[in-house]
Amino acid sequence: DAKTTQPPSMDCAEGRAANLPCNHSTISGNEYVYWYRQIHSQGPQYIIHGLKNNETNEMASLIITEDRKSSTLILPHATLRDTAVYYCIVRVRFNTGKLIFGQGTTLQVKP
Amino acid sequence: DTEVTQTPKHLVMGMTNKKSLKCEQHMGHRAMYWYKQKAKKPPELMFVYSYEKLSINESVPSRFSPECPNSSLLNLHLHALQPEDSALYLCASSQPGDGGPGELFFGEGSRLTVL
Repeated sequence: DAKTTQPPSMDCAEGRAANLPCNHSTISGNEYVYWYRQIHSQGPQYIIHGLKNNETNEMASLIITEDRKSSTLILPHATLRDTAVYYCIVRVRFNTGKLIFGQGTTLQVKP
Repeated sequence: DTEVTQTPKHLVMGMTNKKSLKCEQHMGHRAMYWYKQKAKKPPELMFVYSYEKLSINESVPSRFSPECPNSSLLNLHLHALQPEDSALYLCASSQPGDGGPGELFFGEGSRLTVL
């Protein structure tokens, strides 16, 4: 599975959009981009995934560049409860097991 | 029911003890996972079971012994652990194959302390 690069930390004001970048320049054609987050002392939580089109669900939006070498997770109106470590992961869809976490981005939402 | 339940939440054991961590899911998932997470580090994959068979062992020491007695249960048997094995142990499940987005559902973890 391809490696990802994320900034170690970011701040965001409450109520504003949080834009979390991820670089995955070695992504293969059959690899998807997945985002998970881990709130302190809890298990990781799935947020969203995509292949090449932009995706949106009730939690977030995922914007993938046309060359698929990078993506951005957008939390449209960040709240204090969105403070967490966010992991960007690329993996072959349905590839049982090989969900490998990188270092992630610690997002701090501030009042 | 979209929960993965792990017990116990906290466990303290000596280096000569034998203990087990348990994980249960009732989502009909046929893939189950154990991850280990040290403080301020990302989760590290340990084992994967697919259709109750061990499919991935990430070179985990034999003092950790996984078991999948049926499609809903996953155990991790612990024996002769070292203090450096103290960590949060996370269980997860997913539906393998073309049955959905393939996301993993994680439990809250079992925090293990080895004295």
